[in-house]
Amino acid sequence: QQKVQQSPESLIVPEGGMASLNCTFSDRNSQYFWWYRQHSGEGPKALMSIFSNGDKKEGRFTAHLNKASLHVSLHIKDSQPSDSALYFCAVSTNTGKLTFGDGTVLTVKP
Amino acid sequence: EAAVTQSPRNKVAVTGGKVTLSCNQTNNHNNMYWYRQDTGHGLRLIHYSYGAGSTEKGDIPDGYKASRPSQENFSLILELATPSQTSVYFCASGDLGGSQNTLYFGAGTRLSVL
Repeated sequence: QQKVQQSPESLIVPEGGMASLNCTFSDRNSQYFWWYRQHSGEGPKALMSIFSNGDKKEGRFTAHLNKASLHVSLHIKDSQPSDSALYFCAVSTNTGKLTFGDGTVLTVKP
Repeated sequence: EAAVTQSPRNKVAVTGGKVTLSCNQTNNHNNMYWYRQDTGHGLRLIHYSYGAGSTEKGDIPDGYKASRPSQENFSLILELATPSQTSVYFCASGDLGGSQNTLYFGAGTRLSVL
């Protein structure tokens, strides 16, 4: 059974700073990787996906994937208070089933 | 953006009672999912469905049943609710498999079993 672990559990960064979130997975057949963000009182929303090794940049957000190391990360540049949320890593093979990590709580201090 | 609507938004139930959580999606997605969210456990998959008439067990199906009577509707049923099922439940829908695996979540149902 796929295991997805995220670190750190919580993270505090100053406004304008860089936030780095990490995720490891256990199934080497994993193919698709997502980051979801959940603001308080809402359902999770897909933030970005990455399917190939290397970096993928979307605005202030950069995802990095290394399948050989079973590792995916998310880096948020110029963090804003509105980025404060619970961030989930989600991993899928080719079955249509996503497995989520336990999440990282990001707090951006003004 | 895909619309996923859950009802009720809040529910208080008694131990041993029957609870039905409902979910409706309007984007004609094949797959639908039920997750529960607890502090320290993230999102855990209870049941999912590939289409009308199908239900599959997820990672934590014990104590739950699911029903998919149509493409749009997916219900989660707790026949005999227990306090350990107190949680926030999320329904999600998404396209079938592969790279089209973006899930669209509802706003959640907060269930308290007393």
